[in-house]
Amino acid sequence: KAGVTQTPRYLIKTRGQQVTLSCSPISGHRSVSWYQQTPGQGLQFLFEYFSETQRNKGNFPGRFSGRQFSNSRSEMNVSTLELGDSALYLCASSLILSGPRSGANVLTFGAGSRLTVL
Amino acid sequence: DQQVKQNSPSLSVQEGRISILNCDYTNSMFDYFLWYKKYPAEGPTFLISISSIKDKNEDGRFTVFLNKSAKHLSLHIVPSQPGDSAVYFCAASGFTDKLIFGTGTRLQVFP
Repeated sequence: KAGVTQTPRYLIKTRGQQVTLSCSPISGHRSVSWYQQTPGQGLQFLFEYFSETQRNKGNFPGRFSGRQFSNSRSEMNVSTLELGDSALYLCASSLILSGPRSGANVLTFGAGSRLTVL
Repeated sequence: DQQVKQNSPSLSVQEGRISILNCDYTNSMFDYFLWYKKYPAEGPTFLISISSIKDKNEDGRFTVFLNKSAKHLSLHIVPSQPGDSAVYFCAASGFTDKLIFGTGTRLQVFP
């Protein structure tokens, strides 16, 4: 079955602009999580959506937002871009909410969208 | 506040030898731990996990050890192969249910 698809794969923006990234989860997966990867910082959690509702949020400013549609596809938006927003943005899907209780709810990641802010 | 720490940014190991990647965590509420591997231009892929009720989990060449009292886990790869060269992330989750990742360790396996 198809994996997690992220579009676009690469994009260049300038400071002050906004950007929208898209994520199509694995068919049947209802949870979508977003992470930001930067050198030296690892993967920083942005937010998680399940059944069109944001269930968890990381420590990012309000310029970072997201949403999930009824078909589980998700988008994230970054407004008023800053140089420090340059990063690889990773989307991951899972059958149910990511977390420890099931013991086996593993995230499957997409290849990411690499954003460069000039 | 980095709750999951990988203090070695890189590790170089000869093919056939053991690779040991370390990870420390600070949040005692974490009760499930995972390792992911990431190749360039690809997303991270799940490697192995361990629940806090265990202290060891093995899957082929990969073994994860958990020391809850020290808040420390390690990934052992035996024997190491050139294809294992990648960035390895440890991750942890607890009651908040969000997965917290470390900063990653770049493993290079040379012939």
